[in-house]
Amino acid sequence: AQSVTQLDSHVSVSEGTPVLLRCNYSSSYSPSLFWYVQHPNKGLQLLLKYTSAATLVKGINGFEAEFKKSETSFHLTKPSAHMSDAAEYFCVVSEIGTYKYIFGTGTRLKVLA
Amino acid sequence: EADIYQTPRYLVIGTGKKITLECSQTMGHDKMYWYQQDPGMELHLIHYSYGVNSTEKGDLSSESTVSRIRTEHFPLTLESARPSHTSQYLCASSEGRLTYEQYFGPGTRLTVT
Repeated sequence: AQSVTQLDSHVSVSEGTPVLLRCNYSSSYSPSLFWYVQHPNKGLQLLLKYTSAATLVKGINGFEAEFKKSETSFHLTKPSAHMSDAAEYFCVVSEIGTYKYIFGTGTRLKVLA
Repeated sequence: EADIYQTPRYLVIGTGKKITLECSQTMGHDKMYWYQQDPGMELHLIHYSYGVNSTEKGDLSSESTVSRIRTEHFPLTLESARPSHTSQYLCASSEGRLTYEQYFGPGTRLTVT
């Protein structure tokens, strides 16, 4: 069975410093992986996705993620945090055979001025 | 900008009332989903649909029901609202292939008094 683990429930960074949000996955197959962002009282917005093409995936707003099969990881990074990045971030894997998506428990990113 | 809509955005209603949360998408997606999300928490799948006249219960038990009579429309109904139903409800759609992302509506925040 597939699963996703977000290793940190809360991350705090100072504005202008790098962001690292960690995600590990479990899958018997080559997975499709996604990162979504959710601002308060809003729906989820896709940041980026991995679908077995390039292992380094670039997304919107300067975010990128690297798929590492040997480490079963798909960590989200950004070189320089902005105040507007403060939000909840979800790592997601699509489930083989069911058309369902498995969500991580989320990481709340706080950006300090 | 995703073309998926939810109404109402906010709803405060008394115990025992029947309510229907509306979700519509204009992208022609076959797959549609309802998630329940408590504030600051993960998403729980409560219903999904593979296409017209096809609906399935999700991983989280819910007293709500859904219908899919038209491709673009996926309403969720609570026959008798209770305070335990207070939550945010998110609707999503996707093209259905596992490499394709979900598009989310803005959500309906429901409060049952």
